[in-house]
Amino acid sequence: AQSVAQPEDQVNVAEGNPLTVKCTYSVSGNPYLFWYVQYPNRGLQFLLKYITGDNLVKGSYGFEAEFNKSQTSFHLKKPSALVSDSALYFCAVRDESSSNTGKLIFGQGTTLQVKP
Amino acid sequence: KAGVTQTPRYLIKTRGQQVTLSCSPISGHRSVSWYQQTPGQGLQFLFEYFSETQRNKGNFPGRFSGRQFSNSRSEMNVSTLELGDSALYLCASSSPRGQYFGPGTRLLVL
Repeated sequence: AQSVAQPEDQVNVAEGNPLTVKCTYSVSGNPYLFWYVQYPNRGLQFLLKYITGDNLVKGSYGFEAEFNKSQTSFHLKKPSALVSDSALYFCAVRDESSSNTGKLIFGQGTTLQVKP
Repeated sequence: KAGVTQTPRYLIKTRGQQVTLSCSPISGHRSVSWYQQTPGQGLQFLFEYFSETQRNKGNFPGRFSGRQFSNSRSEMNVSTLELGDSALYLCASSSPRGQYFGPGTRLLVL
């Protein structure tokens, strides 16, 4: 069965420094991977997705993610963190049990804290 | 386009009651998925509806049910509420471009 792991409960970074939020996945076929961000008392906001193509995916708000098939990773990155990036980040993989499914399997989430 | 809307935003119920939550997807989206978010279990898939048919179902008891109407609006119902049902319930609508979430309904069961 497919799964997603976010090994860090929290990541702390200083404003202006680069940030990385880690995600590893386990699927039997080709992965459809996603990153979402959640601010307090809000729903999930879509950041980016990887389906096929370039391993470096660019998304919203200056975020990007690097797909690495050999390491089964899909780490979220940003060159220069902002205090406003502080939020809860979720990595997800689309369930592959059927095509065109809207079912996503989420990691446990990583809290990003950016300090001024 | 307007985003995904969910009503109500907040709800307080007592054990044993039932509750109905509503979700209106983005115009043109035919797939609606529901998720439960709790601090302990994280985000868990409840079910997905596409063209008024349940297409996928997660591992939740039969007390959790849903339906979708011809205009793609969806409702989920939880009967015989338990304390552990307290959670943020998120609805998402999907298109080939991606899955987009609403703000959620926060349910508190007392």
